[in-house]
Order: sequence, then structure tokens, then C-alpha cells
Amino acid sequence: GAGVSQSPRYKVTKRGQDVALRCDPISGHVSLYWYRQALGQGPEFLTYFNYEAQQDKSGLPNDRFSAERPEGSISTLTIQRTEQRDSAMYRCASSFAIASEGNEQFFGPGTRLTVL
Amino acid sequence: AQSVAQPEDQVNVAEGNPLTVKCTYSVSGNPYLFWYVQYPNRGLQFLLKYITGDNLVKGSYGFEAEFNKSQTSFHLKKPSALVSDSALYFCAVSYPGAWGSGGGADGLTFGKGTHLIIQP
Repeated sequence: GAGVSQSPRYKVTKRGQDVALRCDPISGHVSLYWYRQALGQGPEFLTYFNYEAQQDKSGLPNDRFSAERPEGSISTLTIQRTEQRDSAMYRCASSFAIASEGNEQFFGPGTRLTVL
Repeated sequence: AQSVAQPEDQVNVAEGNPLTVKCTYSVSGNPYLFWYVQYPNRGLQFLLKYITGDNLVKGSYGFEAEFNKSQTSFHLKKPSALVSDSALYFCAVSYPGAWGSGGGADGLTFGKGTHLIIQP
């Protein structure tokens, strides 16, 4: 498949545990984005990378959230000491180039995170 | 700050009738506008975008959208609805030249979505 893949598709964890969500973008796509989507809402921007450089992390809710893309391809979003309010769908998207140049983003299926 | 409004939570249309899903935006300058569709248990799929040029843009599955700068709108339309068009539709905006400016401007800002239900 040539699309964006995410794993796991579903993650149930207990409050206080750390979780790592993985995104594998479309091959050759420079930009990679993370979004969080609550029920009944549109995706909300978290952070994005150009190649391996994290260009904007202003959307990360607090310092428990971090992301990396060390080789400019696969990215991991890590949430430390999870809380119930972190429960949401986490979506990854990639694009050939940056959105502010009008490039559409291609989304993965998302990871549904449930914190008990 | 940029924002997108989708005023209707749900739109109901009979199969074969024309459909419109509304979107208005608030952003400085000239925006880039997008429509995405989400089917159950699937990721968001790109439908179409407006960057510049002709105000009427055509996209996948027979959908089109019209950019209206004076009304700051980008409504999604289709001349004849199909039952298979039933899904959740999102309008989104990005800010030209925002790269590197931070504050979330480098990503897409989405509306809250509109459920489109096509009745047989």
C-alpha cells in the first residue's frame, strides 16, 4: 500500500502509563503532521515536521506530549503519564510539501487512544 | 488567527437532488481552502482544493466547490447526490506563507464537520 499507515489502530491504556503512536508517511513526502480529533470535532493541529526538523509544536497541549522524526520518515508521537482527557483519535498526515504552499495532506487511518 | 465554520451539523438530501455543504472561513489575506471526506473507520480523504485562479474548482467523485471571496465562503456542491456520498465532510484552511511562523499556522485548520445523509 502506498498510503499513510499508523499503528496501533487502537490503544487502551491505564492512566499514568506512557504511550507511543507511530506514523509511516507516504514515501517521498517531506512534510508530516500530527492532529488530534475529539468526537464531534474536526482534527486539531498538534505539530509538524519538514524532513526530520520539527518546525512547529505549538499545538502540543503540554510537555507530556512530544514527537520525533529522526530520519525524516517514520514519526512517533509520545504521550507520557497519560490522563483520561488524552483519549481521542490521533491522526497523522503527510504531504509532498508544506500546507501553506497549498499542498494537500494525505491522512492515515488514525490511532484511537482510550485512557482508562 | 484563522478559523473555519461549518454551520450545519447535518445535511439531508434525497438521492438525485443537488447537494450543498456550507463552509465559511476567517483568515488574513488569501487562503488556501480544502475539502476532505471521512468514511466510517477510514482516514480523511482529500476531495478538492482552491489555491488560486478559477473560483470554481472540481474534485473527486463529481464534487465541486466555489470560492467566494466577498462572502468568505467555500461551499461544497454536487449536481446529483448518490447514496454512497453519505459521509462526514470537513472544510479546512491553510494560511499562505505561514511556513515557519508557528502558532499552528503551518498546519490545516478544520471545521467541525458536516454529516451528509443521502436518502434513497
